[in-house]
Amino acid sequence: EVQLVESGGGLVQPGRSMKLSCAASGFTFSSFYMAWVRQAPTKGLEWVASISTGGGVTYYRDSVKGRFTISRDNEKNTLYLQMDSLRSEDTATYYCARRYNYFDHWGQGVMVTVSS
Amino acid sequence: DTVLTQSPALAVSPGERVTISCRTRESVNTLMHWYQQKPGQQPKLLVYKTSNLASGVPARFSGSGSGTDFTFTIDPVETDDIATYSCHQSGNSDTFGAGTKLELK
Repeated sequence: EVQLVESGGGLVQPGRSMKLSCAASGFTFSSFYMAWVRQAPTKGLEWVASISTGGGVTYYRDSVKGRFTISRDNEKNTLYLQMDSLRSEDTATYYCARRYNYFDHWGQGVMVTVSS
Repeated sequence: DTVLTQSPALAVSPGERVTISCRTRESVNTLMHWYQQKPGQQPKLLVYKTSNLASGVPARFSGSGSGTDFTFTIDPVETDDIATYSCHQSGNSDTFGAGTKLELK
């Protein structure tokens, strides 16, 4: 069974950093693109970033370019999202997802609240 | 970004047929996908590449369309289907619709 378990969320002040992790199991992690998708309270889903199987190619939405870094450790079957210079508009539930052209498996999500 | 416009919230009764639309201004070929999300839960893939049912999804769910106009249908609706449904295109980067909230009449 495919499982994706996020961790690392919480309350953080504007301008500070936070790193999210996603532990994957139940499939060959190194064979799949992965992604982070977020959802602000009462809002729709928003793609954040994607990463290739080996980690050498990454994609970001414009609003997080230069602030967020997606990475992966295929030895540890873990996906990461390093978030720097956080803003209030980054407040959301962050989901880790397995990616084909679509997102076929999702984690349960982790809440990130950016507030002073 | 490719903006996806979804139909607004819909009120339905069990046993009815419901159709949710998703429109774009530029073609995404067949790279349109649909997700179901219930309160407090993660999204669940229902339909991928316009019309393909994800594993374990009942046949009363279906999708159709191409280019810029896409449709997601539930026929017949069951009470367990009360949720928010979101379209997602991956033809031009990745964007999601705002979601259509299905409610009981």
